[in-house]
Amino acid sequence: DSGVTQTPKHLITATGQRVTLRCSPRSGDLSVYWYQQSLDQGLQFLIQYYNGEERAKGNILERFSAQQFPDLHSELNLSSLELGDSALYFCASSTQGESPLHFGNGTRLTVT
Amino acid sequence: GQQLNQSPQSMFIQEGEDVSMNCTSSSIFNTWLWYKQDPGEGPVLLIALYKAGELTSNGRLTAQFGITRKDSFLNISASIPSDVGIYFCAGLGGTSYGKLTFGQGTILTVHP
Repeated sequence: DSGVTQTPKHLITATGQRVTLRCSPRSGDLSVYWYQQSLDQGLQFLIQYYNGEERAKGNILERFSAQQFPDLHSELNLSSLELGDSALYFCASSTQGESPLHFGNGTRLTVT
Repeated sequence: GQQLNQSPQSMFIQEGEDVSMNCTSSSIFNTWLWYKQDPGEGPVLLIALYKAGELTSNGRLTAQFGITRKDSFLNISASIPSDVGIYFCAGLGGTSYGKLTFGQGTILTVHP
């Protein structure tokens, strides 16, 4: 158990809808990261937050947004969903920017 | 941006055999990490390497941080069926502070 909790585990929704994925980092970790893993693809970095502030941005679509709250949990919002957004979405946390990341077990999003 | 080339893409071996996989980069990293991902789960950290030239072991796993800081390898000795999974290398730091860059993964299959 990595200590990173992601909910829900599975999500099935229709195109055009909006969903929110939630992540609770390990106790004491200030950095939260979001990654997307599509079929046959590796882990693509989406965005990083550190202590409530956006720190780095990767290949995140404009339809996607995230935030980190004062209690350090984070949410990833995906809107106007398309079939191609179906993927595993992972949250990871670390103590600081250059520390190893610890991953949750992901949310599997299926867009129909 | 920084990219990691991980090889081989897949390996099919017999139980008891040793395994070796490696990652190379066109730019330097400050930290090299190796993760294993089982189906339907998040990546789990196996080994973290922090200094150029560092050689670190974790049970049957051995990994090294290349002298040039642009490469790393992972060896698994005396493989067992539960070693099956996808192994990812990842680089941290360098020109992309705080952002973890992943290799494409090595799919390992172990035949009993």
